[in-house]
Amino acid sequence: DVKVTQSSRYLVKRTGEKVFLECVQDMDHENMFWYRQDPGLGLRLIYFSYDVKMKEKGDIPEGYSVSREKKERFSLILESASTNQTSMYLCAHSPPQGADRNGYTFGSGTRLTVV
Amino acid sequence: EDKVVQSPLSLVVHEGDTVTLNCSYEVTNFRSLLWYKQEKKAPTFLFMLTSSGIEKKSGRLSSILDKKELFSILNITATQTGDSAVYLCAVTGTASKLTFGTGTRLQVTL
Repeated sequence: DVKVTQSSRYLVKRTGEKVFLECVQDMDHENMFWYRQDPGLGLRLIYFSYDVKMKEKGDIPEGYSVSREKKERFSLILESASTNQTSMYLCAHSPPQGADRNGYTFGSGTRLTVV
Repeated sequence: EDKVVQSPLSLVVHEGDTVTLNCSYEVTNFRSLLWYKQEKKAPTFLFMLTSSGIEKKSGRLSSILDKKELFSILNITATQTGDSAVYLCAVTGTASKLTFGTGTRLQVTL
């Protein structure tokens, strides 16, 4: 089975801190995505990447950046965390042609609280 | 901008009832529509639909897509308490990225 591993399940950070959220997939897939999930707003796309060193802005990229130095690892960076970035963060990946018969695979999520 | 609207936002049913969840969408160069179930953790994949009028079925769950009217439904028959979850609909278009609806929260009571 394909696996997506997010490094932390729960994180508490202070306002202004630099925060790294890590995501690692065990397939050789090009496409990786970062979403945040908030009550009433659903999942919203922050950034995605189609290959190493490539990145594309999603629908809500402000306040975030990403890094893709290796194919299996896609990191989300909060340069200066703010309380409105308190959320559940979900990483996902898919094969290069998009969803296959198994859909997109999600990690178990990181619940980030910024105080 | 791609858009997905799900209805109802939430519903409560009794065990054994049949429910229908709705998903309408607007997307540039539609490729696929996906349904996910989310309990406490990450979404788990249920179905992917690409062709109009072909029903996908898995046990008590089934789904169908209407590409002309731009919507899909997810049916759950003989509901059980274990079906309680948020059901998410998502679409992919040109950019292979998933655009999600806000989900339907289903609660099945005894």
